[in-house]
Amino acid sequence: GENVEQHPSTLSVQEGDSAVIKCTYSDSASNYFPWYKQELGKRPQLIIDIRSNVGEKKDQRIAVTLNKTAKHFSLHITETQPEDSAVYFCAASLTSYDKVIFGPGTSLSVIP
Amino acid sequence: EPEVTQTPSHQVTQMGQEVILRCVPISNHLYFYWYRQILGQKVEFLVSFYNNEISEKSEIFDDQFSVERPDGSNFTLKIRSTKLEDSAMYFCASSGTANSPLHFGNGTRLTVT
Repeated sequence: GENVEQHPSTLSVQEGDSAVIKCTYSDSASNYFPWYKQELGKRPQLIIDIRSNVGEKKDQRIAVTLNKTAKHFSLHITETQPEDSAVYFCAASLTSYDKVIFGPGTSLSVIP
Repeated sequence: EPEVTQTPSHQVTQMGQEVILRCVPISNHLYFYWYRQILGQKVEFLVSFYNNEISEKSEIFDDQFSVERPDGSNFTLKIRSTKLEDSAMYFCASSGTANSPLHFGNGTRLTVT
């Protein structure tokens, strides 16, 4: 089955700097890659997703890139703010309505 | 915006007892899921449900677990005889068409004592 790895496990950046989180997946059949943000004690919330027919997607300060050949995908957050502090999970799925397999998470701290 | 709702928000139970966690998925969604998150760990897939039957389940979802859609709106997860290691946050999720990604509920924190 699908296995998703994620690095780093913790990341600390100064406010205004960029943060990058990298993931790899194992199942070449996966075609849908969502990213979730989870604040302490709350549910995972979808922040951006990308499908395999797209190499890059951007939404304001957040961008994702996907390299299907290498089975790598990454999340980039620019101009980080303290409210970006949370745990971020990458995930992979066959389609947007199949089960989603989560990575182990990255705890991001943005220092004011 | 429609939301997935879960009740109760927190459930405390004694080891060996049965618990039922309840979820109301988004009304026009067709695919339903339960996930589990042990404190400080990743979100783990338990089971998916479509067309009134289980479509896939993980190795975590053993004979102690069952799911049901008793009516047109509710989706439940039952744990027959709870163990200490069942203590976790349980998230229900639903999705609709190919353009509708997973939407998670706020979760039920299960504490087994």
